[in-house]
Amino acid sequence: GAGVSQTPSNKVTEKGKYVELRCDPISGHTALYWYRQSLGQGPEFLIYFQGTGAADDSGLPNDRFFAVRPEGSVSTLKIQRTERGDSAVYLCASSQTNLKAVRGTEAFFGQGTRLTVV
Amino acid sequence: AQTVTQSQPEMSVQEAETVTLSCTYDTSESDYYLFWYKQPPSRQMILVIRQEAYKQQNATENRFSVNFQKAAKSFSLKISDSQLGDAAMYFCALMTYKYIFGTGTRLKVLA
Repeated sequence: GAGVSQTPSNKVTEKGKYVELRCDPISGHTALYWYRQSLGQGPEFLIYFQGTGAADDSGLPNDRFFAVRPEGSVSTLKIQRTERGDSAVYLCASSQTNLKAVRGTEAFFGQGTRLTVV
Repeated sequence: AQTVTQSQPEMSVQEAETVTLSCTYDTSESDYYLFWYKQPPSRQMILVIRQEAYKQQNATENRFSVNFQKAAKSFSLKISDSQLGDAAMYFCALMTYKYIFGTGTRLKVLA
C-alpha cells in the first residue's frame, strides 16, 4: 500500500497479557517512529529506528515495552504484562529522515492501534 | 530538553472567519523544523504546514500560514476563511530527528 499500515486497528486485552502491535512503513523509508497517544493528549515519543537499529529508545516507559525492526522495514511493538494505564492509541510513523544528513522531512503516520486493557 | 507548549485547549471560529492557534517551543538545537499537524476523529495525522528554522520567511499553504518568531520561540498557525472541514485537533510539533508534540488545540468551526 501507499501509506503506513498498522494492525490491528483495535485491540482489547486483559490485564497481565502480552500484546504485539505491528507497523508496516512506507517502502524505502529508513526512519520509523512509535508514539503513544493517551486520551486528550498529544503523541508521546516512544522509540525511533534508523534502519534495523533503535537510534533512540529513551521514550519507552519501562522494561515491559520493547520494539524490534529486524529487517529494516516492518516493526513490532511488544508490551508484556499489560496494565490498564497502557490503554492508549499507539501511532507509528515513517520518513526518509536520518540522523545526520536529512532532517525535517515529513513523517507519514498510520491510523494507529487503539489498545484497551481491561 | 525539548518542549512544545500549546496553551489553548480549545478554540472556536465562525465559518469563513480567521483563527490563530498558538504554540511556543524550547530547544537548544540550531537545526530544527516546526510542523502543524491536523488530527480528525479518524486518528490520521495530516501535515498542515512545515517551517524550516533557518528560514526567516513564514511558510504559507493556501489558507494556512504561520507566524514564526525564532527569537521568541513562537510558532502560531493562522487559518483563513475557516471551513467546516477544518474542525479537528491541531498539534504543533518540533522536529530534530524525532517529533516532540504539544498537547493539542481542539478547533471547532461554527456554521
